[in-house]
Amino acid sequence: EDQVTQSPEALRLQEGESSSLNCSYTVSGLRGLFWYRQDPGKGPEFLFTLYSAGEEKEKERLKATLTKKESFLHITAPKPEDSATYLCAVQARGYQKVTFGIGTKLQVIP
Amino acid sequence: DVKVTQSSRYLVKRTGEKVFLECVQDMDHENMFWYRQDPGLGLRLIYFSYDVKMKEKGDIPEGYSVSREKKERFSLILESASTNQTSMYLCASSFPTEGNQPQHFGDGTRLSIL
Repeated sequence: EDQVTQSPEALRLQEGESSSLNCSYTVSGLRGLFWYRQDPGKGPEFLFTLYSAGEEKEKERLKATLTKKESFLHITAPKPEDSATYLCAVQARGYQKVTFGIGTKLQVIP
Repeated sequence: DVKVTQSSRYLVKRTGEKVFLECVQDMDHENMFWYRQDPGLGLRLIYFSYDVKMKEKGDIPEGYSVSREKKERFSLILESASTNQTSMYLCASSFPTEGNQPQHFGDGTRLSIL
């Protein structure tokens, strides 16, 4: 069974204080690993897809990286508008289904 | 731009009622999904559909059914609502897996069963 574990559950940062969120996964043949951002009362918003170990993707202050067992979402010099819950999900080859982690709730304080 | 629209943002129903949640996507996606999201449990897949009139059970299908009569529309049905079905319900859609396309979500329906 595919599993996704995200840590920490919650993270509080000062504005400008860089940090990383972790996503550990087990899957029988990775097709893709996805990162989403979810604001309160909204649906998840797609950020990145990573396909193979060593791959990196960037968007503004966010950078996602992938190894064979985990993914990191690095946040550089965060701003208060980066406050949200960040979700990680994996999809196995040959399956339509995606397994989500519970998420990391990030709060960036001015 | 990608658009998944859920018919209601908030819904209050009574125990035993039959409840319909509607989802429409305008991206011509083959796949559509229904999830529920609960604190501490994350997103759990209820049902998904990979084509019109086709459906597959997800991880927690008990107490739910679905209908997909048109490509753009996917309905979730609570046959006889119970209080443990109070939750945030999220609809998503995507192209088939082979295209390595992510799922795109609606803004959810917060359903309360009294």
